[in-house]
Amino acid sequence: RKEVEQDPGPFNVPEGATVAFNCTYSNSASQSFFWYRQDCRKEPKLLMSVYSSGNEDGRFTAQLNRASQYISLLIRDSKLSDSATYLCVVSDRGSTLGRLYFGRGTQLTVWP
Amino acid sequence: DAGVIQSPRHEVTEMGQEVTLRCKPISGHNSLFWYRQTMMRGLELLIYFNNNVPIDDSGMPEDRFSAKMPNASFSTLKIQPSEPRDSAVYFCASSRTSVIQETQYFGPGTRLLVL
Repeated sequence: RKEVEQDPGPFNVPEGATVAFNCTYSNSASQSFFWYRQDCRKEPKLLMSVYSSGNEDGRFTAQLNRASQYISLLIRDSKLSDSATYLCVVSDRGSTLGRLYFGRGTQLTVWP
Repeated sequence: DAGVIQSPRHEVTEMGQEVTLRCKPISGHNSLFWYRQTMMRGLELLIYFNNNVPIDDSGMPEDRFSAKMPNASFSTLKIQPSEPRDSAVYFCASSRTSVIQETQYFGPGTRLLVL
């Protein structure tokens, strides 16, 4: 079983829609969680970290449920520029010298 | 500031040939990571270095793969001999420290095709 599982999509939504992505992780010892964004044929870039209490960055809200080992990303008021693949990322442990595990990504297309 | 630099950007080679991928991390970053991305397996960590020392190479597929970091500004990933199943996009990333919460900055990747 992969460390991080995501629904691959694709999600096709109109501009202005709200869309939510979920992922689950298998290692209960994981301490750090992130969402990365990858545009077509480009490199991944950090979108946001995910904190235990949940956190928001503009139109983006990330939630963590440690009991269920579940992470979510909510995008409100979708823009055309949000079209990308969203990668759920989990560390194997906290602090230093840990490694990251990437989900295979959820593809989002926002249409006009 | 320059980001992570990788070369070549594209490589097409024949099975059995040696392939060398190069990476220059962001200046001042002391952790460097090599990843491989395929449609089937997604993004996988191959190896990472901290202060030029390999820390975890458990993701290196087999002995055909080797990586070096002779100094803080340069790393290579070598495949010898290459096989068609090595075809993938290889990313190099760097971070300022080894703290896991540090952002990893990815280079543009090397698209490798082994015929």
